[in-house]
Amino acid sequence: AQRVTQPEKLLSVFKGAPVELKCNYSYSGSPELFWYVQYSRQRLQLLLRHISRESIKGFTADLNKGETSFHLKKPFAQEEDSAMYYCALKGRDFGNEKLTFGTGTRLTIIP
Amino acid sequence: GAGVSQSPSNKVTEKGKDVELRCDPISGHTALYWYRQSLGQGLEFLIYFQGNSAPDKSGLPSDRFSAERTGGSVSTLTIQRTQQEDSAVYLCASSSIHRGTPMMETQYFGPGTRLLVL
Repeated sequence: AQRVTQPEKLLSVFKGAPVELKCNYSYSGSPELFWYVQYSRQRLQLLLRHISRESIKGFTADLNKGETSFHLKKPFAQEEDSAMYYCALKGRDFGNEKLTFGTGTRLTIIP
Repeated sequence: GAGVSQSPSNKVTEKGKDVELRCDPISGHTALYWYRQSLGQGLEFLIYFQGNSAPDKSGLPSDRFSAERTGGSVSTLTIQRTQQEDSAVYLCASSSIHRGTPMMETQYFGPGTRLLVL
């Protein structure tokens, strides 16, 4: 079974402070991890995926298989980062294409 | 180009009535997904279509829920005899899956249909 846990429903951070949104997963096989973001009045969109090892809008996330975590980090928060963030998992085996999402964390950046 | 579109954007219905929700995927995308976003629950997978293969219906919560995808494009999610617990935002996503590079598949989401069952 696939499971994604985001322990924080709400997170408030001051502008310029570091941000870390936690994500832990459970999956017996080899997972692919994603972070999706939903800004106010916009549709859900992909922020980044672990396999690309990229930094998007200053955000990075490292897959830690030992801790089964995929925390999202940004060193200096900006007001435009306020949004709902979802961690998601997909199995790498072909045919298992569905995404399993966490319950989301609402990030609020305090000016 | 045009993204995934869904209609209606909002639907209010009475308990016991049937509803149909429509999804128009991105042109050329072979894969189509339905998810449900309930208050405080996150996004829950419902059903997945890929080309001409049999759909993955493993996420449908009951036999009141069904979905079709006609001609490999437009999809309709039908909820029969709606219940109040069906109230949620129903999201559709589409993607283009290539067997050679499945790991680079990206799901593009529509704006959702907000369903309220009174």
